[in-house]
Amino acid sequence: GDSVTQMEGPVTLSEEAFLTINCTYTATGYPSLFWYVQYPGEGLQLLLKATKADDKGSNKGFEATYRKETTSFHLEKGSVQVSDSAVYFCALKRGSQGNLIFGKGTKLSVKP
Amino acid sequence: DTAVSQTPKYLVTQMGNDKSIKCEQNLGHDTMYWYKQDSKKFLKIMFSYNNKELIINETVPNRFSPKSPDKAHLNLHINSLELGDSAVYFCASSLLTEVGEAFFGQGTRLTVV
Repeated sequence: GDSVTQMEGPVTLSEEAFLTINCTYTATGYPSLFWYVQYPGEGLQLLLKATKADDKGSNKGFEATYRKETTSFHLEKGSVQVSDSAVYFCALKRGSQGNLIFGKGTKLSVKP
Repeated sequence: DTAVSQTPKYLVTQMGNDKSIKCEQNLGHDTMYWYKQDSKKFLKIMFSYNNKELIINETVPNRFSPKSPDKAHLNLHINSLELGDSAVYFCASSLLTEVGEAFFGQGTRLTVV
């Protein structure tokens, strides 16, 4: 079945460091891919998405590129801030039923 | 204006009780979902309704029963609560298309004591 494998955390970085969170997927067909972020005590917010191969999603300095050949959708940010501390989820959308399949989440802590 | 709102935000109850969580969306979406987030933050789909019809019913105990009175509302009723039901439950909505993103409520933290 469809699945998402995400880099295990927690990840601890200093402010202004470069961030990469790896995400790979297994799916039939070409699903849409998403990154969601969950700040402490809150619900999930969409961070960015890509709907077809080679699409690049970007938002708030974060980027991810849909790579069909490596079935990957890695999240990157050039310079993290303390306010980026949160749990990040990679997900794919099953087209036939519409639900999201999530990775296990990666907790990011950014220290000043 | 909150896009997806669910109530209550916190729910503490004793084992064996019956409780409900309510969810409403004002985005005009045709599909609504319940997800469960366990203590390790893992998120898993429980149910999905499209235009008031059940389209996903994952392996969930029969004690959990979703109800969708209209396409803007999806409630979750839980009978005979058990300790293992303690989790955060998220409601979400989207369009049933391959590209439509899901919008999530703030979550209901259920604690069974």
